[in-house]
Amino acid sequence: DAGVIQSPRHEVTEMGQEVTLRCKPISGHNSLFWYRQTMMRGLELLIYFNNNVPIDDSGMPEDRFSAKMPNASFSTLKIQPSEPRDSAVYFCASSLDRTDTQYFGPGTRLTVL
Amino acid sequence: DQQVKQNSPSLSVQEGRISILNCDYTNSMFDYFLWYKKYPAEGPTFLISISSIKDKNEDGRFTVFLNKSAKHLSLHIVPSQPGDSAVYFCAATGTGGGNKLTFGTGTQLKVEL
Repeated sequence: DAGVIQSPRHEVTEMGQEVTLRCKPISGHNSLFWYRQTMMRGLELLIYFNNNVPIDDSGMPEDRFSAKMPNASFSTLKIQPSEPRDSAVYFCASSLDRTDTQYFGPGTRLTVL
Repeated sequence: DQQVKQNSPSLSVQEGRISILNCDYTNSMFDYFLWYKKYPAEGPTFLISISSIKDKNEDGRFTVFLNKSAKHLSLHIVPSQPGDSAVYFCAATGTGGGNKLTFGTGTQLKVEL
């Protein structure tokens, strides 16, 4: 029984480059969440989708960040252009519906040099 | 503005003793609280939750206590085991927020032999 799948697991890039993080939620889950983890701020919700529709993107830090969910089994988080302060671990999570338990993927560790 | 605070970044406990992890919140609209556990290189996993209509919820060795007047909750682990060594995140949500979780910064628990 596959859990939430994220790719890549590690990404090292240079400042100014475009970064795309990918997520495959658990099959049958209708809600998908993108989080960022940093030492200073812990886990922060960036954006979440319900039935592929973005519901709340108030946590997206800047216009450089964008997220899409073209279908129920795939989502992307894009950073363009990337900056060193974007270095963090990015988690994707999914749940059956908006009020159910969230299941997290293993995360993508992003390093922007 | 950290609405969920875990003021102890780390805690060390001997095997067999009680571990107590604390969490404070500031938003009066929060009415559902969760604890997640995270091992290195893995995503957080749900541990236990409590609704604001209760003041205690128990699941095996894990008990969560909620003090609404003090806006404080705690997670008790009895007895502590080496496998409990992980980062523990407190999270909160309100009925108006769907399943939008606000997380604390986490507490690293180390259970020593």
